Amino acid sequence: AQTVTQSQPEMSVQEAETVTLSCTYDTSESDYYLFWYKQPPSRQMILVIRQEAYKQQNATENRFSVNFQKAAKSFSLKISDSQLGDAAMYFCAYRSPNTGNQFYFGTGTSLTVIP
Amino acid sequence: DVKVTQSSRYLVKRTGEKVFLECVQDMDHENMFWYRQDPGLGLRLIYFSYDVKMKEKGDIPEGYSVSREKKERFSLILESASTNQTSMYLCASIPPTGETSGNTIYFGEGSWLTVV
Repeated sequence: AQTVTQSQPEMSVQEAETVTLSCTYDTSESDYYLFWYKQPPSRQMILVIRQEAYKQQNATENRFSVNFQKAAKSFSLKISDSQLGDAAMYFCAYRSPNTGNQFYFGTGTSLTVIP
Repeated sequence: DVKVTQSSRYLVKRTGEKVFLECVQDMDHENMFWYRQDPGLGLRLIYFSYDVKMKEKGDIPEGYSVSREKKERFSLILESASTNQTSMYLCASIPPTGETSGNTIYFGEGSWLTVV
């Protein structure tokens, strides 16, 4: 099974500053999908951004962008102009088209935004 | 919008009780999942189902079973609850394989289970 590693259990950022959350994964596949999900205190999982492995261009969604390094198997999330509402648990996830639609999740990074 | 509904947000059960966690999705998704979320361990897959009456074990199936009698409903069953099953349980579904396989996974709001 694929493994997803988030090495930062907790991170903090000053409001309006930029923060980068790290994620690495282990796979032998060439085609796959990567995601970042946000889980606020309400516990409802929200999709933040997704990246298809065959696309070289890094995905962006407003203040959220990724740095996808396929050779290094790295998929970091950058949050610019951090807002109080960004405080949440962030999960990195991997989806393979070849293993029964399973998603593999990292252990999460808890982000605190300091006013 | 896809809606995944977990019927119970908070439950307190006694050790040895049989517990049912219900999940319903309204988008005709074939694939449904049950995860368990614990601090520092992330989301761990308990069981999943590709279709009605089909089920597959995930990474931590011990102590759990599932039921998928109808396409929209996927139930997680704790036959005899134990204190180490105190956790948050997340139900999820994804669109059929024929659709864009990069589609996201849709989660319910979670069920907090405390076993005393």
